[in-house]
Amino acid sequence: GDSVTQTEGPVTVSESESLIINCTYSATSIAYPNLFWYVRYPGEGLQLLLKVITAGQKGSSRGFEATYNKETTSFHLQKASVQESDSAVYYCALGDLGGSNAKLTFGKGTKLSVKS
Amino acid sequence: ETAVFQTPNYHVTQVGNEVSFNCKQTLGHDTMYWYKQDSKKLLKIMFSYNNKQLIVNETVPRRFSPQSSDKAHLNLRIKSVEPEDSAVYLCASSRDWGVSYEQYFGPGTRLTVL
Repeated sequence: GDSVTQTEGPVTVSESESLIINCTYSATSIAYPNLFWYVRYPGEGLQLLLKVITAGQKGSSRGFEATYNKETTSFHLQKASVQESDSAVYYCALGDLGGSNAKLTFGKGTKLSVKS
Repeated sequence: ETAVFQTPNYHVTQVGNEVSFNCKQTLGHDTMYWYKQDSKKLLKIMFSYNNKQLIVNETVPRRFSPQSSDKAHLNLRIKSVEPEDSAVYLCASSRDWGVSYEQYFGPGTRLTVL
């Protein structure tokens, strides 16, 4: 089946430092799945951070970026300068394009703590 | 702003009991989901409902059953809980089915089975 592997947390960085959370995927049912980053801030529900549905494209949101790399089957999340408010749990996810088995497959999540 | 509501927040019960969790979305979405997040933090899809039709059932034990009265509500019933059912159950909704649609999640219900 499909699988997603991401940086094992917790990850702690200082404010204004750069960040990269690695994500690699394995899609057995489809060659070019949709790729997502979801985030869960403390006390809130899981929410979409960004998504990319076309291989080679980059998605961005709230200063975060991720590029869909089909050669390395990766979708790493990056930010040039983190803030304390970025402290959250980040989930990389893969989705097939449709059909009766349409579903999201999530990674285990990476807990990020940003210290001031 | 919360738009997917789940009750209860926590539930502790004994092995063999029946439990039911509620989920309501106020987004006017057509598709709702239940996910299970186990102790290893892995989030796995359990069910998807689109216009009251079950779309996905991921080899979930038969003691689990989704229940929907309308497209805004999707409850989860566990007929006779087992220790391995201890987990956080997340409800979500999306405008339509298909993974390109953003999913909106509720805060989760944490179940502990003693």
